[in-house]
Amino acid sequence: GENVEQHPSTLSVQEGDSAVIKCTYSDSASNYFPWYKQELGKRPQLIIDIRSNVGEKKDQRIAVTLNKTAKHFSLHITETQPEDSAVYFCAATDSWGKFQFGAGTQVVVTP
Amino acid sequence: DVKVTQSSRYLVKRTGEKVFLECVQDMDHENMFWYRQDPGLGLRLIYFSYDVKMKEKGDIPEGYSVSREKKERFSLILESASTNQTSMYLCASSLMGTVDEKLFFGSGTQLSVL
Repeated sequence: GENVEQHPSTLSVQEGDSAVIKCTYSDSASNYFPWYKQELGKRPQLIIDIRSNVGEKKDQRIAVTLNKTAKHFSLHITETQPEDSAVYFCAATDSWGKFQFGAGTQVVVTP
Repeated sequence: DVKVTQSSRYLVKRTGEKVFLECVQDMDHENMFWYRQDPGLGLRLIYFSYDVKMKEKGDIPEGYSVSREKKERFSLILESASTNQTSMYLCASSLMGTVDEKLFFGSGTQLSVL
């Protein structure tokens, strides 16, 4: 089955700097790659996603890149703000819509 | 807006008790999932269901069972709760048919087994 690895496990950045989180997956049949943000005490919420036929997608300060050949995808957050502090999860899905999640990255944005 | 509702936000049970965690979604989603969330381990899939009365084991099904008698409701059952099942449990749902349909989560149930 699918295995998703996520790095780093914690990330501390200065406000205004960029943050990058990287994930790798094992199943070449995976074709949908969402990113979820979970604030303290709240449910995970989808922030951006990318399909296998697209290499990059951007939404304001966040972007995701996908390299299907290398089987890795990354989340990029630019101009970080304190409200970006949260746990971020990457995921990969198979053709049945079954989601496999990474272990999560705790992002701390310090003023 | 999709609403996924979990019946309890916090639950305290004793070792050996039978525990029911209930989840209801209001968007006619075919797919429903139960995840367990532990620090450093991310979200691990316990069971999922693609249709009524249908269930599939996830990555960590041991010690759990599920029930899906109606499309909108997916129950997680701990037959005999143990302390290592203390965790945050998250229910989720999604549409079937398109591979990239979004996953919607409930608020979670923090279960403590004493």
